[in-house]
Amino acid sequence: EVQLVQSGPEVKKPGESLKISCKASGYSFSNFWIGWVRQMPGKGLEWMGIINPGDSFVKYSPSFAGQVTISADTSVTTAHLQWSRLEASDTATYYCARSSDTSGYFSDYWGQGTVVTVSS
Amino acid sequence: EIVLTQSPATLSVSPGESVTLSCTARQSVITNVAWFQQKYGQAPRLLIYGASTRATGVPARFSGSGFGREFTLTISSLQSEDFGVYYCQQYNDWPPMCSFGQGTKLEIK
Repeated sequence: EVQLVQSGPEVKKPGESLKISCKASGYSFSNFWIGWVRQMPGKGLEWMGIINPGDSFVKYSPSFAGQVTISADTSVTTAHLQWSRLEASDTATYYCARSSDTSGYFSDYWGQGTVVTVSS
Repeated sequence: EIVLTQSPATLSVSPGESVTLSCTARQSVITNVAWFQQKYGQAPRLLIYGASTRATGVPARFSGSGFGREFTLTISSLQSEDFGVYYCQQYNDWPPMCSFGQGTKLEIK
């Protein structure tokens, strides 16, 4: 069974750093791209970027380039999303989602989401 | 980035009725469109991919259609569990970057 299990909720102060995780199981981690999606409170889904765990190639959406870093560790089948300096506007739920490799690269499996709250 | 526009923003419908949700891409995405349902506090759930293929376990009352720039999701005989927010996603780029529409909220009338 394919599963993406994300790390727990975080409460941080502006200026702090953060790294959240997405643990994959039930499939060959290196063979499927993983994307990250932001959902601000009461708002829609925003595509942040994607990583190929097999070669660590990363592409960011323009709105998120330079703001976050996406990485993956194949030894522990885990993808990460990190910030070096959080802002209050980073308060949101963040989802990881696997991209299918059959019939196109739609997001076929999702993590449960990680709620990040940034407040002084 | 390929922009998707969904309409309407909100739909109020009674159980048993049928509805059609629309998603328009700014440029052709062929049939590389998926639809998701999201309920409050939950992750999105895949309903349709390839514009018209139902995902595993999705009831037959959900159907998708479209090609190029215009896509629709039809839900026939709405049930109470169908209410929530629906998003379309395009995945026509390479590397496989995606984008989402802004969502359509389906409410109980």
